[in-house]
Amino acid sequence: SYNLTQPPSVSVSPGQTASITCSGDKLGHKYTCWYQQKPGQSPITVIYEDTKRPSGIPERFSGSNSGNTATLTISGTQAMDEADYYCQAWDTNTAIFGGGTKLTVL
Amino acid sequence: QVTLRESGPAVVKPTQTLTLTCSFTGFSLSTSGMCVSWIRQPPGKALEWLARIDWDDDKYYNTSLKTRLTISKDTSKNQVVLTMTNMDPVDTATYYCARTLKDGSAYSFTDWGQGTLVTVSS
Repeated sequence: SYNLTQPPSVSVSPGQTASITCSGDKLGHKYTCWYQQKPGQSPITVIYEDTKRPSGIPERFSGSNSGNTATLTISGTQAMDEADYYCQAWDTNTAIFGGGTKLTVL
Repeated sequence: QVTLRESGPAVVKPTQTLTLTCSFTGFSLSTSGMCVSWIRQPPGKALEWLARIDWDDDKYYNTSLKTRLTISKDTSKNQVVLTMTNMDPVDTATYYCARTLKDGSAYSFTDWGQGTLVTVSS
């Protein structure tokens, strides 16, 4: 079965750039989405189709996907960005989620 | 504006069948490219996709849970129903439904419901 691997945690200082990676076999051949989930809330989509931002998502969120790794980048990280982030891709009509990364802004 | 709301029992007993309903507004499941998925999240754990139903009534299931899951839609009522048989305490989770959009070869979860917590306990 297909797996996506994320680091369990990433820390960043306010105003700095945070990068969260997602690894999978030939992931660059698939579209990757990223979801943000704050405690007690439903996930929201921050990146879809590797690089696209839904309306209402700040420009500081960006995505890339090549080779075996997709990356979510948050530029000028703010305290409000502290959350769990999940990558997701489809493998033969099955949605696969990564294990999630807890982003701490300190 | 797209909204989705999950409803169903908060508690089920082991071996029982769980039936969850996703009621949505702001889109139609008869529109080409529109789909609805179910996703669950055990307390403190990661998201897990369960099933998807497409505008053309195609259905897809998590391979490891396929024998226990059934997804269906009622387009006239704007509802999608998920049933899961033989519930076990490990199935305790928050269950979400999500609008899923097909764009070319890409599918994306664009909108999520608030989720409903289901506890499996005798």
